[in-house]
Amino acid sequence: GNSVTQMEGPVTLSEEAFLTINCTYTATGYPSLFWYVQYPGEGLQLLLKATKADDKGSNKGFEATYRKETTSFHLEKGSVQVSDSAVYFCALSDSGGSNYKLTFGKGTLLTVNP
Amino acid sequence: GAVVSQHPSWVICKSGTSVKIECRSLDFQATTMFWYRQFPKQSLMLMATSNEGSKATYEQGVEKDKFLINHASLTLSTLTVTSAHPEDSSFYICSARGTLRGTDTQYFGPGTRLTVL
Repeated sequence: GNSVTQMEGPVTLSEEAFLTINCTYTATGYPSLFWYVQYPGEGLQLLLKATKADDKGSNKGFEATYRKETTSFHLEKGSVQVSDSAVYFCALSDSGGSNYKLTFGKGTLLTVNP
Repeated sequence: GAVVSQHPSWVICKSGTSVKIECRSLDFQATTMFWYRQFPKQSLMLMATSNEGSKATYEQGVEKDKFLINHASLTLSTLTVTSAHPEDSSFYICSARGTLRGTDTQYFGPGTRLTVL
């Protein structure tokens, strides 16, 4: 079956530091890959996605590249801000790009200190 | 602002009672709604998928008689935890799939914390 493994947190960084959150997956076929973010007290929000190999998803300074050869979709940001503090979830869907019926990783708590 | 709401945001109940959780899509019609369960430091686990006006499809290992799902309209789905027990204590999250501002995507609710004493 499908599975997603992501870096366990918590991750604590200083403002303007570089961020990487690792994510690898196991899936049959060619899944679509997603990063979701959950700010305190709010629902999950789609941060970025990639639907095929070598695609790069990007949003709000975050980037992730779909690497089929390493089955990875690592999240990166060059300079984090305090407002980026949240829980980040890597996920996959094997239903095309319609991002339904998702398989999630455990989530990584990021705290950015001023 | 939020596009999917859940009510209540938290609930405490006695063992043996039933609890109903509502999930509403705001400003759009949800063709499909999903219910997830999340244990501390664990992934979100999909429990069931429901389409308006039809029976929910449950994931393997989820008791459909225990977790009753009703998707009565395009903006409302309810999850009822029947005869709740302490092991049902968890964080329940719904999501709604539909088209909002021309984009077909999935929006998540903020979750409901259930504690069964």
